Amino acid sequence: EPEVTQTPSHQVTQMGQEVILRCVPISNHLYFYWYRQILGQKVEFLVSFYNNEISEKSEIFDDQFSVERPDGSNFTLKIRSTKLEDSAMYFCASNLPGPNSNQPQHFGDGTRLSIL
Amino acid sequence: DAKTTQPPSMDCAEGRAANLPCNHSTISGNEYVYWYRQIHSQGPQYIIHGLKNNETNEMASLIITEDRKSSTLILPHATLRDTAVYYCIVRPKLGTYKYIFGTGTRLKVLA
Repeated sequence: EPEVTQTPSHQVTQMGQEVILRCVPISNHLYFYWYRQILGQKVEFLVSFYNNEISEKSEIFDDQFSVERPDGSNFTLKIRSTKLEDSAMYFCASNLPGPNSNQPQHFGDGTRLSIL
Repeated sequence: DAKTTQPPSMDCAEGRAANLPCNHSTISGNEYVYWYRQIHSQGPQYIIHGLKNNETNEMASLIITEDRKSSTLILPHATLRDTAVYYCIVRPKLGTYKYIFGTGTRLKVLA
């Protein structure tokens, strides 16, 4: 069964450095998402992306964050000048557009980002 | 915005059916109910979704009340590997595709 893959599984970065998290969504999916989960807390929506542009973003997704689909398969989340509070699991998700756009999102297993 | 309410935790004996309730009294007429689970810190795993009819797949059954204000996820024969946090999700409003996760129900399957 096709799945969303994320790399790396664990990323350790010094505070203030830039980090890029990578995702390969399911191949025929057209909507892409990033979520994050700080240890012990809820899964939080960051951003959704469709047709090469951001369709929706949360208050968390400020100027420090950016997303890109650099080619036909990858979807990336860049965090500039990381802070300690960016330490979290970051999940990528994707789905098909369907009638009334009800198709479920499928999630990757995440990248654990640790900021030192 | 549509919201969901779930009990924080439940126990279930191995081999028995696990029935996980969810209240979504503010759901709009054509919004779906989605169920996911999260095992440890893995990514949320899709289980099932439905609009108004009951649904069944190889993982679970979903029973939605006629007024659509609540639903129940049924794992017919729970195993230890079903121990996880289960999330009932309704997208907050029409035109948005994001999921808002609550705290879910922590299901513990007991041997």
